[in-house]
Amino acid sequence: DIQMTQSPSTLSASVGDRVTITCRASQSISSWLAWYQQKPGKAPKLLIYKASSLESGVPSRFSGSGSGTEFTLTISSLQPDDFATYYCQQYNSYTWTFGQGTKVEIK
Amino acid sequence: QVQLVQSGAEVKKPGASVKVSCKASGYTFTSYGISWVRQAPGQGLEWMGWISAYNGNTNYAQKLQGRVTMTTDTSTSTAYMELRSLRSDDTAVYYCARGVSGDPGDYWGQGTLVTVSS
Repeated sequence: DIQMTQSPSTLSASVGDRVTITCRASQSISSWLAWYQQKPGKAPKLLIYKASSLESGVPSRFSGSGSGTEFTLTISSLQPDDFATYYCQQYNSYTWTFGQGTKVEIK
Repeated sequence: QVQLVQSGAEVKKPGASVKVSCKASGYTFTSYGISWVRQAPGQGLEWMGWISAYNGNTNYAQKLQGRVTMTTDTSTSTAYMELRSLRSDDTAVYYCARGVSGDPGDYWGQGTLVTVSS
């Protein structure tokens, strides 16, 4: 099975900061990677698919990059609504695998 | 607009079974598959498996093989997930999502809390 490892687990940042979250796959997944945002008590929301494609309606301050085994999610200027937990997910194989999550907290 | 609406919260005793439904609307049900993902309290997301709404093919997470069954009713555009022999560590919020292998989960249900307690 493909394993997904995110870092950091927790990130403290201020409004306006540039934030980067990293996700590493245990084997190549080409660009079959998605990023989700989840707020407490809510379902995950798709932000990025195919590593760098922005889902419709998602603000342009979110961007994704990478291919193969190394991927990043960047928030160019953190907004109050962005404090949440972020998950990467591979959908290359016959199964889905999620990273363990990165909680973005207010500094 | 695409919507996935799940059934309500359940409380079950250890050893019992639970069946959660996920009713789809706003798209052609048989054109997409449905995946199921669960989240234990305070934990991350765990993929459980998926079902093709086109032909009923399934793929389950290895750790749940033998305890989980996913089905669909195309006449009502509803997907179902049944989990048997429930244990306390099955306590979680269960989500359905549109998408299977090769697709991300672009739409999600609101989640169903299943509590397993004696």
